[in-house]
Amino acid sequence: EADIYQTPRYLVIGTGKKITLECSQTMGHDKMYWYQQDPGMELHLIHYSYGVNSTEKGDLSSESTVSRIRTEHFPLTLESARPSHTSQYLCASSEPGDSLPSYEQYFGPGTRLTVT
Amino acid sequence: KNQVEQSPQSLIILEGKNCTLQCNYTVSPFSNLRWYKQDTGRGPVSLTIMTFSENTKSNGRYTATLDADTKQSSLHITASQLSDSASYICVVSDRGSTLGRLYFGRGTQLTVWP
Repeated sequence: EADIYQTPRYLVIGTGKKITLECSQTMGHDKMYWYQQDPGMELHLIHYSYGVNSTEKGDLSSESTVSRIRTEHFPLTLESARPSHTSQYLCASSEPGDSLPSYEQYFGPGTRLTVT
Repeated sequence: KNQVEQSPQSLIILEGKNCTLQCNYTVSPFSNLRWYKQDTGRGPVSLTIMTFSENTKSNGRYTATLDADTKQSSLHITASQLSDSASYICVVSDRGSTLGRLYFGRGTQLTVWP
């Protein structure tokens, strides 16, 4: 089991609220990622980071924002939650470098977000 | 367009039986292919990872094969157990960026009945 954690695991919140999904890893990985996954569908990359102070948008457009102030933390924030944000959010990390093992991504348990 | 297609979408088998899941991809340039197991409500966990030169890789009762020429992979599960019930996701990485971008299939939902 990888040392990558996400909190909360489940969140039900009303429309318009600001929320932050936490992700932390203890493996010292430089690269971190946020994915969005709907039931029965593939994972979509929404944000990624190469390291501290580095953040990039992924393939899927998202109204969320991320920050990377510390290596081990990669929180995701929604300023104003909407029902369309209801989904599962998965955080992942991988080792630095270009060698094959560095492409192994370790996933957290996910946060199931429901916006009512 | 880089895509990963998996079949079947869902599968039900009896405990103790074997099964094979399929994955076809169009990702280019190809770097590696992995199979992940995702339990309901959990994050994916890596089962196997194969590079271009590898034809087969085993992890206990899981055996993955790769045909890079036809761009096909399969995951064979032997002597299935109830705990094998999960979604099995085929993921292909391209060689075109340092990010090692991943392309995910939608998964095969496997249910093992007693």
